[in-house]
Amino acid sequence: AQSVAQPEDQVNVAEGNPLTVKCTYSVSGNPYLFWYVQYPNRGLQFLLKYITGDNLVKGSYGFEAEFNKSQTSFHLKKPSALVSDSALYFCAVRGGGSQGNLIFGKGTKLSVKP
Amino acid sequence: NAGVTQTPKFRILKIGQSMTLQCTQDMNHNYMYWYRQDPGMGLKLIYYSVGAGITDKGEVPNGYNVSRSTTEDFPLRLELAAPSQTSVYFCASRGTGPNTGELFFGEGSRLTVL
Repeated sequence: AQSVAQPEDQVNVAEGNPLTVKCTYSVSGNPYLFWYVQYPNRGLQFLLKYITGDNLVKGSYGFEAEFNKSQTSFHLKKPSALVSDSALYFCAVRGGGSQGNLIFGKGTKLSVKP
Repeated sequence: NAGVTQTPKFRILKIGQSMTLQCTQDMNHNYMYWYRQDPGMGLKLIYYSVGAGITDKGEVPNGYNVSRSTTEDFPLRLELAAPSQTSVYFCASRGTGPNTGELFFGEGSRLTVL
């Protein structure tokens, strides 16, 4: 069965420092991987995805993610964090079968301090 | 372009009451989904639909029902509300094609059952 794990409940970063939010996955077949961000009392917003191609994927708001097949990881990164990046981040993998749903991790709360 | 629209945004129910959460999308997407989000648990799939007239259960369908009479609308029905159904509910949709896969989310419906 497809699954994702986000090992950190919370990540704290100083503004201007690089940030990494970790995600590992378990799939049968080729993985379709996604990152979403959720601001308080809002819906989930799509950041980026990996389906095929380059292992380094660039997305919205200066975020990028690196697909690593040997380590089954898809970590989210940003070179220089902003206070406005503070939010809840979800990693997701496409489920098996034809329904095309996404299976989400439990989420990582990112806190960026000035 | 409204995307995915959910109503109501907030609702308080008494135990045993019933209600319907409305979801409509204007992107002509065939695939639609209902998730619930509980703190620290990520998102769990309740029901999904691959097109008008076709629905199926997700991971946590008990206590819910859905219908899909049109491409645009995918209402979620709660029968005999219970405190365990206190949650934030998200509707999402997805297009089709070789490079799609991401879900587009509504802003959520926050339900409290007392």
